[in-house]
Amino acid sequence: GAVVSQHPSWVICKSGTSVKIECRSLDFQATTMFWYRQFPKQSLMLMATSNEGSKATYEQGVEKDKFLINHASLTLSTLTVTSAHPEDSSFYICSARPHRGGTYEQYFGPGTRLTVT
Amino acid sequence: AQKVTQAQTEISVVEKEDVTLDCVYETRDTTYYLFWYKQPPSGELVFLIRRNSFDEQNEISGRYSWNFQKSTSSFNFTITASQVVDSAVYFCALSGPNTGNQFYFGTGTSLTVIP
Repeated sequence: GAVVSQHPSWVICKSGTSVKIECRSLDFQATTMFWYRQFPKQSLMLMATSNEGSKATYEQGVEKDKFLINHASLTLSTLTVTSAHPEDSSFYICSARPHRGGTYEQYFGPGTRLTVT
Repeated sequence: AQKVTQAQTEISVVEKEDVTLDCVYETRDTTYYLFWYKQPPSGELVFLIRRNSFDEQNEISGRYSWNFQKSTSSFNFTITASQVVDSAVYFCALSGPNTGNQFYFGTGTSLTVIP
């Protein structure tokens, strides 16, 4: 149980276009989902926290107009990178906290590798 | 403030050697959770262990063992008889209820096991 999927697993897009990444909790409902970004050989950095039905909370330094997060249901959150640029190329990982369960629980998706050319 | 320090950036060991990965954390919370994750080249995080702050018992799982010491704010991870498949980046992480249970990750330790 507690499986989180991400789609796509990798994507290449041209500079200036927008890319949407989906994060789904497959066998549980997630009240809260988190989005992380990981540059090569670096740690995971939290970008934003999204709660179902409300606006996402962005970490300092993360542009909310560039990284649009929608958490429309208890099983799906999406991250849209708008007007992507090469510096947005990164590994994006989501995680989901079960609606029922310990508050410490958090399950990670397999990640999406974004390359902007 | 929450902080996790993994001072070892890269470690190389020869197969079958034991290796310990260090993790030191900072938190003002009395209740918190510590985690270790493995990240192989594929990128997917693999959960290894979770420990809560009230449980200082060391744990062993096969070739893996963890030493949690609140007195030194450390949660070290030892791999016994390392294997090539253990080559990966290992992250220590901290979370707590007073900070929304978000994860604070260390910078990771890249382990290379040489055959």
